Amino acid sequence: RKEVEQDPGPFNVPEGATVAFNCTYSNSASQSFFWYRQDCRKEPKLLMSVYSSGNEDGRFTAQLNRASQYISLLIRDSKLSDSATYLCVVNGGYNKLIFGAGTRLAVHP
Amino acid sequence: NAGVTQTPKFQVLKTGQSMTLQCAQDMNHEYMSWYRQDPGMGLRLIHYSVGAGITDQGEVPNGYNVSRSTTEDFPLRLLSAAPSQTSVYFCASRLRSRNYGYTFGSGTRLTVV
Repeated sequence: RKEVEQDPGPFNVPEGATVAFNCTYSNSASQSFFWYRQDCRKEPKLLMSVYSSGNEDGRFTAQLNRASQYISLLIRDSKLSDSATYLCVVNGGYNKLIFGAGTRLAVHP
Repeated sequence: NAGVTQTPKFQVLKTGQSMTLQCAQDMNHEYMSWYRQDPGMGLRLIHYSVGAGITDQGEVPNGYNVSRSTTEDFPLRLLSAAPSQTSVYFCASRLRSRNYGYTFGSGTRLTVV
C-alpha cells in the first residue's frame, strides 16, 4: 500500500463547479499535512497547510480526519486557472515529506 | 529574494558520466531536500539535510551523493549516470518547523542516454 494515495483523475469540470479531492495516508503518526498545486512542467507550489480543525483560504477548503487518516480539498466556483495537478503531502517523520502521485483537474468553459 | 535556484534547467548525459546539480536558497532555511519526479509516481525523496554538515538518505538514494557545507547550498552529485536516472529533479527548502511547507526550485530535467 502506498503511504499517500490519491485518485489520479482526471476530474473534468465546468467553470463554476465545486470539486472535491480525497487523499488517504497510512502513517497514523503523521503530524503535518499539506496540499500542493503543480502546473504542467512546473515545480510544485504550496497551496495550503491542513489543520485538524479544517481551514479555508478563499475558494479552497481543506479538511483532516485523523481517525480515518483522510484529507480532503474542496474547490468552490472553479476557474479555468485552477486546472492543474493537486498533490496531497504528508509529513512522514523527520523532515520526510511524502507526496501522493497527484490528482489532475481540468476546468473547461 | 530569489528563493530556491537550481542549475542547470536541462541536461543530457551519456551513461557513465558524472555531474553535479546545483541548488541554492537565500531564505536562510535550515532544511533542504532533493526529490525526483517520474510520471505516475509522484515525488520521491533522494537525500535531505537538516542543517550545514548534516545529511541523510531518503527513499531512493542509490547512485546519488550530497553534501551541505553551507546553509545556502545543497548540491546533488550523480556518480555514474544510468538511463534509470532520467527524471525531473527538484530541490526544496523550508524552515525547521514542521508546520511550514517546502519551497521548490524550478527543477532540472535530466536525460541519460
